[in-house]
Amino acid sequence: DAGVTQSPTHLIKTRGQQVTLRCSPKSGHDTVSWYQQALGQGPQFIFQYYEEEERQRGNFPDRFSGHQFPNYSSELNVNALLLGDSALYLCASSPGLAGNTIYFGEGSWLTVV
Amino acid sequence: SQQGEEDPQALSIQEGENATMNCSYKTSINNLQWYRQNSGRGLVHLILIRSNEREKHSGRLRVTLDTSKKSSSLLITASRAADTASYFCATERGATNKLIFGTGTLLAVQP
Repeated sequence: DAGVTQSPTHLIKTRGQQVTLRCSPKSGHDTVSWYQQALGQGPQFIFQYYEEEERQRGNFPDRFSGHQFPNYSSELNVNALLLGDSALYLCASSPGLAGNTIYFGEGSWLTVV
Repeated sequence: SQQGEEDPQALSIQEGENATMNCSYKTSINNLQWYRQNSGRGLVHLILIRSNEREKHSGRLRVTLDTSKKSSSLLITASRAADTASYFCATERGATNKLIFGTGTLLAVQP
């Protein structure tokens, strides 16, 4: 049983560019969330998708957007990249919307230069 | 913003010793989950403890939860060098599946 898988593992972008990160949830999971983890910090919640809709959103600007597909996989898009967007982006999945164990992928390291 | 804080921020012990990490949080919770993170890698789930539970065990791990003090602890017994990692607590407020993380404890186990 594959866990949460993310791609790419590492990428380097230039300031002002756009990036798309991808996530496949653990088998049987229909809820996908995205987190940003800066160096030396705990992960910060970006947003959550369920039934192809954004259900909750953290304190992140509109430059951060996402999508969930009918097979529950998800994408995170970041436009107009800033140096401060450099971080580890983590995808998490769980069954349903509440009270369950939440599993994380290995993350995508984004460096903005 | 962070929901809570782990204490200590860093901990160095010898192999075979026990390691205790504490987590405090600010608001009432639905559950609390502990995760391990090796350097530069993803989060590995360790234990979930619900707000109506006081203690849970998993192998060498023991987690306690005191909702009156808004705190939790993670005990790793008979530590190994492979336990070297950062440990985070994360709380779910209400029925949301949204986790709010603490600042983490960096554990170093010396062989």
